[in-house]
Amino acid sequence: GQQVMQIPQYQHVQEGEDFTTYCNSSTTLSNIQWYKQRPGGHPVFLIQLVKSGEVKKQKRLTFQFGEAKKNSSLHITATQTTDVGTYFCAGSGGSNYKLTFGKGTLLTVNP
Amino acid sequence: EAGVAQSPRYKIIEKRQSVAFWCNPISGHATLYWYQQILGQGPKLLIQFQNNGVVDDSQLPKDRFSAERLKGVDSTLKIQPAKLEDSAVYLCASSFRSLMEQYFGPGTRLTVT
Repeated sequence: GQQVMQIPQYQHVQEGEDFTTYCNSSTTLSNIQWYKQRPGGHPVFLIQLVKSGEVKKQKRLTFQFGEAKKNSSLHITATQTTDVGTYFCAGSGGSNYKLTFGKGTLLTVNP
Repeated sequence: EAGVAQSPRYKIIEKRQSVAFWCNPISGHATLYWYQQILGQGPKLLIQFQNNGVVDDSQLPKDRFSAERLKGVDSTLKIQPAKLEDSAVYLCASSFRSLMEQYFGPGTRLTVT
């Protein structure tokens, strides 16, 4: 079945440093979504990417979808303590209407 | 607009007992999902409904788990009998259509002792 892998599993940064998490799929994806889950909370939708090579920005967050539609990344510029949480990518492929979540990257920020 | 509602928020049961979770999705959302999230892992899809029909239940342990979405609105997920490894957070989510952004409820934290 479809697998979505994320690296790193954990990332600890000093406030103000940049952060990047990477997502890789074993198969070509039709779309990829990113979610953020604060400690003790539930996943909250951030963005969806559907086009090859697509880049979208939300303030300090930049999301990319690879040209081959098998990988994606989330980059946060100048992290803040409010960025703390686990970032998940979730992808679906072909005629499969199911989203498969990665294991997530837990970001901690030292003030 | 109101979000996805789930109850109960917490449940502690002994192994071999049964338990049921309830979910009310956002009004107008045709697709409803039940996920199991074990600590430190991503949500794992158990079952996906489109209106009141099942789209995917390939990862649902059907010998002990069951789910229904009568009338295409709210849904229940049942575990009978529970095992220790069922301890997890059970998340319900809904979306307007499949593959669109999903809105998650607060989840039910299940502890099986």
